Amino acid sequence: DSGVTQTPKHLITATGQRVTLRCSPRSGDLSVYWYQQSLDQGLQFLIQYYNGEERAKGNILERFSAQQFPDLHSELNLSSLELGDSALYFCASSPGQQNEQFFGPGTRLTVL
Amino acid sequence: AQKVTQAQTEISVVEKEDVTLDCVYETRDTTYYLFWYKQPPSGELVFLIRRNSFDEQNEISGRYSWNFQKSTSSFNFTITASQVVDSAVYFCALIITSGTYKYIFGTGTRLKVLA
Repeated sequence: DSGVTQTPKHLITATGQRVTLRCSPRSGDLSVYWYQQSLDQGLQFLIQYYNGEERAKGNILERFSAQQFPDLHSELNLSSLELGDSALYFCASSPGQQNEQFFGPGTRLTVL
Repeated sequence: AQKVTQAQTEISVVEKEDVTLDCVYETRDTTYYLFWYKQPPSGELVFLIRRNSFDEQNEISGRYSWNFQKSTSSFNFTITASQVVDSAVYFCALIITSGTYKYIFGTGTRLKVLA
């Protein structure tokens, strides 16, 4: 158990809908990272927050947004969902900005 | 342009063999990090190692070792005396930290260790 929790574990929704994925980092970790893993795109970095501020942005679509709250948990919002958004979404946390990362179990999103 | 190439899509070895997973990267930046991750069949991601661009020392951790060579832009990963539990997909990643951070992943190498 990495200490990083993600909810929900599975999510099935329809095209055009909006979903929110939640991540709670390990106690004391200030950085949260979001990754997307799909068969088509492989493993991609989406976004990183450090102590509430956006620190790095990767291949995150404009339909997606994220934030890190004062208690350091993070949410990834995906809107106007398309079939191609079906993927495994991982969250990771680390104490600083480029330390060892600890991954959550992932949220499997299926868009029908 | 930044790029990470893991040319070996899949490797099969017999248990106790040594195996090296290749990672070649491209960047003009002088400040960056290189990471290796493991994804076993169960699906979770596990961080293995981080190396910054100014530290070319090789590292050994038990049966795992990493060879970082800036001259050839490579950060190869060797598993000594492989075990069935090493079967996984291994990803190499390049993180550019000068200016806007960028994360570039390789496509992964699937390692199958046969008993």
